[in-house]
Amino acid sequence: KQEVTQIPAALSVPEGENLVLNCSFTDSAIYNLQWFRQDPGKGLTSLLLIQSSQREQTSGRLNASLDKSSGRSTLYIAASQPGDSATYLCAGTGANNLFFGTGTRLTVIP
Amino acid sequence: ETGVTQSPTHLIKTRGQQVTLRCSSQSGHNTVSWYQQALGQGPQFIFQYYREEENGRGNFPPRFSGLQFPNYSSELNVNALELDDSALYLCASSSRSNSRETQYFGPGTRLLVL
Repeated sequence: KQEVTQIPAALSVPEGENLVLNCSFTDSAIYNLQWFRQDPGKGLTSLLLIQSSQREQTSGRLNASLDKSSGRSTLYIAASQPGDSATYLCAGTGANNLFFGTGTRLTVIP
Repeated sequence: ETGVTQSPTHLIKTRGQQVTLRCSSQSGHNTVSWYQQALGQGPQFIFQYYREEENGRGNFPPRFSGLQFPNYSSELNVNALELDDSALYLCASSSRSNSRETQYFGPGTRLLVL
């Protein structure tokens, strides 16, 4: 069974700082890895999808990498802003579903 | 905005009752997946519907059931509600059934069981 772990569980940083969120998974047979953002009490917003054949994806200030051999993915956020405050979830792909980590709750302090 | 809608947004039920949650998928998507997210946890896969058929199920008991309609909208039904069913229920739609495409999530239905 795929298990996904995210470290740290919570993170507070001052505005403008660069930061890295970590995600590890137990089964390297995942097909792809997806990062989501969740605002309190809301649904999930897809940020980046890394296909199995890719090693990284970039969107604006976000960069996500995938290393299947080590079972790890990272989400890099450059020049953090207060609007980035949210919970960030990574999810690996199963046969027809996503396996989620418990998330990292990010607070960016103005 | 993902184009995926869910109703109702909030719901309060008592233990033992039954509940039906609804999801409208994004235009052009034929696959709907349902997830349960308990407070402070990541979403857990309940089941997926592809072209009106169940296409995979997570570790949830049979009192969790679903339907998908010809327009690809979907319902999640939960019978004999338990206190632990209190959670945010999320649906996600995609254009393929094998999760290799981006899944687009709705805003969720928050269910409270008293």
